[in-house]
Amino acid sequence: EVQLVQSGGGLVKPGGSLRLSCAASGFIFSNAWMTWVRQAPGKGLEWVGHIKSKTDGGSTDYAAPVKGRFTISRDESKNTLYLQMNSLKTEDTAVYYCTKVGGIHYWGQGSLVTVSS
Amino acid sequence: SYELTQPPSVSVSPGQTARITCSGDDLAKKYVYWYQQKSGQAPVLVIYEDNKRPSGIPERFSGSSSGTMATLTISGAQVEDEVDYYCCSTDSSTDHWVFGGGTKLTVL
Repeated sequence: EVQLVQSGGGLVKPGGSLRLSCAASGFIFSNAWMTWVRQAPGKGLEWVGHIKSKTDGGSTDYAAPVKGRFTISRDESKNTLYLQMNSLKTEDTAVYYCTKVGGIHYWGQGSLVTVSS
Repeated sequence: SYELTQPPSVSVSPGQTARITCSGDDLAKKYVYWYQQKSGQAPVLVIYEDNKRPSGIPERFSGSSSGTMATLTISGAQVEDEVDYYCCSTDSSTDHWVFGGGTKLTVL
């Protein structure tokens, strides 16, 4: 059974940093493209960025609003995906989801990130 | 930037067929995925790769795609289907995922 278990959300001040983690199981992690998606309160879904599978080179790409501030990485030894968020803004307040894409998509349970002074 | 367009709302009576559309220039080249989202919960995939249904999703959910338009069809809509639905696809030039704005389905 595919499982994505997230951790690391919370309250942070504007300009601060936070790292989200997503522990994966039930599939070959190194073969999977992984993405982060967020949803601001009362709003729709927004793609944040992705990281290709290790077998496809492991490169990353980001949505314009987060490029240069957010970094997606993966640790194959721990089957874990990360989202490092720096220089956070109030508009980054959202629930963040990690997802496994390719064929059937699987989602984590979500992590609430609140950026407020 | 690439956009997917959905109607903000769709209304049907219980037992009727609900159709939610999603339009985008690249849909002829890229797969469409459909999500159902209940308030306060993570989205649930109901259709993947245009017309495939994951296990556990009721047969009344189906998908189709033709040209620049994709459609999620709920045959015999039930009261519990009254939630938000999002389409999702990729921008063929950037490989960035894009979501539609979401459609609130009302069944009454």
